[in-house]
Amino acid sequence: DAKTTQPNSMESNEEEPVHLPCNHSTISGTDYIHWYRQLPSQGPEYVIHGLTSNVNNRMASLAIAEDRKSSTLILHRATLRDAAVYYCILSRTSGTYKYIFGTGTRLKVLA
Amino acid sequence: DSGVTQTPKHLITATGQRVTLRCSPRSGDLSVYWYQQSLDQGLQFLIQYYNGEERAKGNILERFSAQQFPDLHSELNLSSLELGDSALYFCASSQRVSDTEAFFGQGTRLTVV
Repeated sequence: DAKTTQPNSMESNEEEPVHLPCNHSTISGTDYIHWYRQLPSQGPEYVIHGLTSNVNNRMASLAIAEDRKSSTLILHRATLRDAAVYYCILSRTSGTYKYIFGTGTRLKVLA
Repeated sequence: DSGVTQTPKHLITATGQRVTLRCSPRSGDLSVYWYQQSLDQGLQFLIQYYNGEERAKGNILERFSAQQFPDLHSELNLSSLELGDSALYFCASSQRVSDTEAFFGQGTRLTVV
């Protein structure tokens, strides 16, 4: 399974955009890029996923590098409720999805 | 609320014992995943079932086993428990065997004393 590398922690001010980076240099052509987040005392929740093109949804945007070796999760306006651990995960499109979680980035949002 | 129900929420048991954790997936979801989250190991994928059959195996110990029943609920059995098995155990479900979004339950916190 391909691995991802994320910073251990990041800080952001409330109401400001947050860019959470992820490196996945060993990604293969059939790997989707997923982002999940885990709020304190809760199970992980889906944020967004993409394959090659940038993606937007109501929660966030996902910017994928042209060579797909890195991606960035963008929270457009961070709120205190966005404080969580954010996981960048790769998963193959063929066969079964094994979401292999790394250590993630702990995001702290300052009021 | 993700729609995935895990019971019990908390469990305290002694070393050497056996416990069963239960997971009810979201209505209509055929795939169930089990994860273990401990402080020093992060989220570890254990096993996946799809429509009653095992589809993928991760770092699951031989002392652990799982199954998915015809009504699609799943059970994770942990036996000969050790102190190191203390962790949060999460269940997730998705519609298909290969899916882009999985829904996680709130977890079962297991404490082995």
